[in-house]
Amino acid sequence: DTAVSQTPKYLVTQMGNDKSIKCEQNLGHDTMYWYKQDSKKFLKIMFSYNNKELIINETVPNRFSPKSPDKAHLNLHINSLELGDSAVYFCASSHAGTGGNEQFFGPGTRLTVL
Amino acid sequence: KQEVTQIPAALSVPEGENLVLNCSFTDSAIYNLQWFRQDPGKGLTSLLLIQSSQREQTSGRLNASLDKSSGRSTLYIAASQPGDSATYLCAVRGGGADGLTFGKGTHLIIQP
Repeated sequence: DTAVSQTPKYLVTQMGNDKSIKCEQNLGHDTMYWYKQDSKKFLKIMFSYNNKELIINETVPNRFSPKSPDKAHLNLHINSLELGDSAVYFCASSHAGTGGNEQFFGPGTRLTVL
Repeated sequence: KQEVTQIPAALSVPEGENLVLNCSFTDSAIYNLQWFRQDPGKGLTSLLLIQSSQREQTSGRLNASLDKSSGRSTLYIAASQPGDSATYLCAVRGGGADGLTFGKGTHLIIQP
């Protein structure tokens, strides 16, 4: 059983388009995250969300918005795509709280903006 | 702002050797530290999670230590195998940011 899944695996689109990436977890976790891995392979947190609170990394443009239809899903919407948005996007999940909760990652979505 | 540094950036060793990967972080107020493995074009596989109150964790040939006060962690790999070749990422949770703060990774190659 896949714990954290993402679709699509690859996404190629034109600059200026709007696109979405879907994420689902079947681990019963209540906190989900989006990370961006840039061309130099550096991973950075974009959002964390736990039904009550959305925490946004201050460097994320407001063209990016997470949407959670339920606890098991956290989708990422991107408006007006730019060349610099090309990266691999990873979804992750964990139990909530400030304790030592292990995060589990999805396989990633490689976004290419032309 | 938390910063995580991993040394070395790349490492190539013959099969069978024991090796140590290093990770340091600037803010010791962490909740936990997690080591991951990433294969080319793949996602992240969690290897070990160390809570802030723990000193080490072991899983098979892997042993991770944590010295929170000095802001350091090491990942020890015993009897390395070619299948261990991957990028190893260290990440900490806490220190002023939600989510994980990652290092840039150590690219490890085990020569057969």
